[in-house]
Amino acid sequence: EADIYQTPRYLVIGTGKKITLECSQTMGHDKMYWYQQDPGMELHLIHYSYGVNSTEKGDLSSESTVSRIRTEHFPLTLESARPSHTSQYLCASSESAGRVTYEQYFGPGTRLTVT
Amino acid sequence: QQQVKQSPQSLIVQKGGISIINCAYENTAFDYFPWYQQFPGKGPALLIAIRPDVSEKKEGRFTISFNKSAKQFSLHIMDSQPGDSATYFCAASSSGTYKYIFGTGTRLKVLA
Repeated sequence: EADIYQTPRYLVIGTGKKITLECSQTMGHDKMYWYQQDPGMELHLIHYSYGVNSTEKGDLSSESTVSRIRTEHFPLTLESARPSHTSQYLCASSESAGRVTYEQYFGPGTRLTVT
Repeated sequence: QQQVKQSPQSLIVQKGGISIINCAYENTAFDYFPWYQQFPGKGPALLIAIRPDVSEKKEGRFTISFNKSAKQFSLHIMDSQPGDSATYFCAASSSGTYKYIFGTGTRLKVLA
């Protein structure tokens, strides 16, 4: 069982509010990821991090921002939520050893609804 | 060239039958091919993964078949059970990128 946590699990918020989605992992993984997924649909990478103080934008353009100040923590922030941000947000992490790709462990997700 | 094409979009199988989901890719640099299973309201979980040095990998009722020359790989679920009803995603990654390219997903329903 992967030790990766996301809070809150569900969030309903009004337009214009600032929100932060939390993601923490206790596995000491260097690499962490944020995906956006509409229910039952494909996963889109919106941010990733290869380590502390390293963040990059993913393949899908997103108005959100991320930070990586500690290895175990990778929060995602929306400065001004809009209805178009309504989606499920999934956090993941993976170990690394050289250039080899390993399993990504996913958190349970945050279901965000912006009214 | 970064796409991973997954089919079918949905699949209905009788209990005890074989479920087959296919994925195709273009980027020959891909060298890691995982399959993820996702239940409603949950995050995806790794089911089985393969690297291109083998053509087949089996774990219990789940088998990945990999065809390097055709740039295709598939998931076979033997003796499918209602508990296997979920959405399945294939993915591909290349060394040094640490990022996955996911397929579009297959919604599997196994009838009791």
